[in-house]
Amino acid sequence: GDSVTQMEGPVTLSEEAFLTINCTYTATGYPSLFWYVQYPGEGLQLLLKATKADDKGSNKGFEATYRKETTSFHLEKGSVQVSDSAVYFCALSDPMNSGYSTLTFGKGTMLLVSP
Amino acid sequence: DSGVTQTPKHLITATGQRVTLRCSPRSGDLSVYWYQQSLDQGLQFLIQYYNGEERAKGNILERFSAQQFPDLHSELNLSSLELGDSALYFCASNSHRGGGNTGELFFGEGSRLTVL
Repeated sequence: GDSVTQMEGPVTLSEEAFLTINCTYTATGYPSLFWYVQYPGEGLQLLLKATKADDKGSNKGFEATYRKETTSFHLEKGSVQVSDSAVYFCALSDPMNSGYSTLTFGKGTMLLVSP
Repeated sequence: DSGVTQTPKHLITATGQRVTLRCSPRSGDLSVYWYQQSLDQGLQFLIQYYNGEERAKGNILERFSAQQFPDLHSELNLSSLELGDSALYFCASNSHRGGGNTGELFFGEGSRLTVL
């Protein structure tokens, strides 16, 4: 079945540091890929997405590129802020595998940014 | 604010009991999804409804059931509760017609269930 693997956290960074959170996936079809963010005490929010190979999703300074050859969708940000502290989830939607396209999530990576 | 409303926010109950979690989707959204979030299992898809009908089923236990009503709100019923059912239960909705998923789900803030 489909699966998503993320690097384990927490990831601890100082403000203005460079961020990378690794995500790899396994899927039988041609999935769409997503990053969701969960701030403390809140539900998940879509951060960015990419629907086909080589697409780059971007939002709020975050970027991720859909790499089919390495089955990866790593999240990056050039300069993190304290307000970026949250849990980040990589997810995929693979209608080919299941006949429908609900999201399969990774286990989440906590990011802690200190001033 | 995502527009998805879940009640109650917190619930503490005992093993063997039954609880009902409620979700009101965003205005106009026809699809409702239920997810369970726990420390060891992460986010697990439970079940999806589209316009009142069950559309997809994931890792939902037989002790759990759900339904979507004509006004589109949904309820998740958890019975014969066990300690391991303690988790955060999220409801999400989207507007994709036909019940498929474009990928953007709008999540509520969750209902935290503690089973003692």
